[in-house]
Amino acid sequence: EIVLTQSPGTLSLSPGERATLSCRASQSVSSSYLSWYQQKPGQAPRLLIYDASTRATGIPARFSGSGSGTEFTLTISSLQSEDFAVYYCQQYNNWPLTFGGGTKVEIK
Amino acid sequence: EVYLVESGGGLVQPGGSLRLSCAASGFTFSSSSMSWVRQAPGRGLEWVSTLSANADSTFYADSVKGRFTISRDNSKNTLYLQMNSLRAEDTAVYYCAKSGSGYHYFDYWGQGTLVTVSS
Repeated sequence: EIVLTQSPGTLSLSPGERATLSCRASQSVSSSYLSWYQQKPGQAPRLLIYDASTRATGIPARFSGSGSGTEFTLTISSLQSEDFAVYYCQQYNNWPLTFGGGTKVEIK
Repeated sequence: EVYLVESGGGLVQPGGSLRLSCAASGFTFSSSSMSWVRQAPGRGLEWVSTLSANADSTFYADSVKGRFTISRDNSKNTLYLQMNSLRAEDTAVYYCAKSGSGYHYFDYWGQGTLVTVSS
């Protein structure tokens, strides 16, 4: 099983600042089969990024994904008020599919 | 527009059974792999099960293997999850999710249905 470790657990930032979220895999995620999701309280997750760096339909350009192998990053270039949420990474390279534990981006 | 609407959640005693349904619309259901993902209260996301488009391949998390069964009716555009021998640790919001373009990331999610296992 591929274990995904997200860091930090909580990120306290102000609107307009840059957010950098990390997702580390316990073994290589080949073909960059890694996705990122945003979840707000009481809502279902929303797909942001798939294949490590491809933005999903309708996702603003301030969201970007990068990385390969075991190290992946989600960057939000300039935080908007609606971006404060919990973010999860997920690998779909191997069964079982696994999620990271999440990073909460909160208002400082 | 894609819609996924779950139903069937509720309160059940330990050892009991429950069947969840997910009604899909807005896409070609019979061409899409579908999954269940759950989230225990205050916790992260946990993948539960995936069923291929033509139902010839099923995958389960070890935590539910042998107790849960995923199925689909492509004529009704509906996904199911039969949950037997329920345990307190199965308490969660269960989301139905559509796989994207032949790969197992989730491009659309339902709003979820709450399953509570308690005596």
